[in-house]
Amino acid sequence: SAVISQKPSRDICQRGTSLTIQCQVDSQVTMMFWYRQQPGQSLTLIATANQGSEATYESGFVIDKFPISRPNLTFSTLTVSNMSPEDSSIYLCSVGTGEGEQYFGPGTRLTVT
Amino acid sequence: RKEVEQDPGPFNVPEGATVAFNCTYSNSASQSFFWYRQDCRKEPKLLMSVYSSGNEDGRFTAQLNRASQYISLLIRDSKLSDSATYLCVVTPGKIIFGKGTRLHILP
Repeated sequence: SAVISQKPSRDICQRGTSLTIQCQVDSQVTMMFWYRQQPGQSLTLIATANQGSEATYESGFVIDKFPISRPNLTFSTLTVSNMSPEDSSIYLCSVGTGEGEQYFGPGTRLTVT
Repeated sequence: RKEVEQDPGPFNVPEGATVAFNCTYSNSASQSFFWYRQDCRKEPKLLMSVYSSGNEDGRFTAQLNRASQYISLLIRDSKLSDSATYLCVVTPGKIIFGKGTRLHILP
């Protein structure tokens, strides 16, 4: 399985600001995913990021709020824009198949005040 | 009915006991099934796939019941290190995680 790192591991941000989360994989992968896990909840897929194309967003998530970049096969970023306290969550990137076999990064714990 | 449902627990089980929990899903077209384990404040990690014929890995056995639309996870001879939240994943064209079942193994 791939080794995945995320930066930052945690952050505390003020409402109205934006935070960009980086995800680095130690091997080239086709599909990268971004998830959100709110306190006490399970994981919710935000979007699928494929290199060379626009990210595909799930229902309830939009590009203006969560812009994603995928400049190459080992790296992706997720930006949480114009943050509000409701965006406080753990954000995880993952790699894997679109069939459910996923390998996750350690996550970014975001607190919005 | 929710797409994927799990008993949130917690299941408090003495060390050495056998424990089982289920995950029900609503979409009969679901094709792929998995169990993940998530330790406190850690990322989920793939535990095992669930095949139509079942799947066994050491003390862990996963089974699929398509007729009743659920998957199960059985843990035999439970260890303290098995304490975690177990998430099921169902893929009816998109990846859906259950909310997880918390398991506490008691010494």
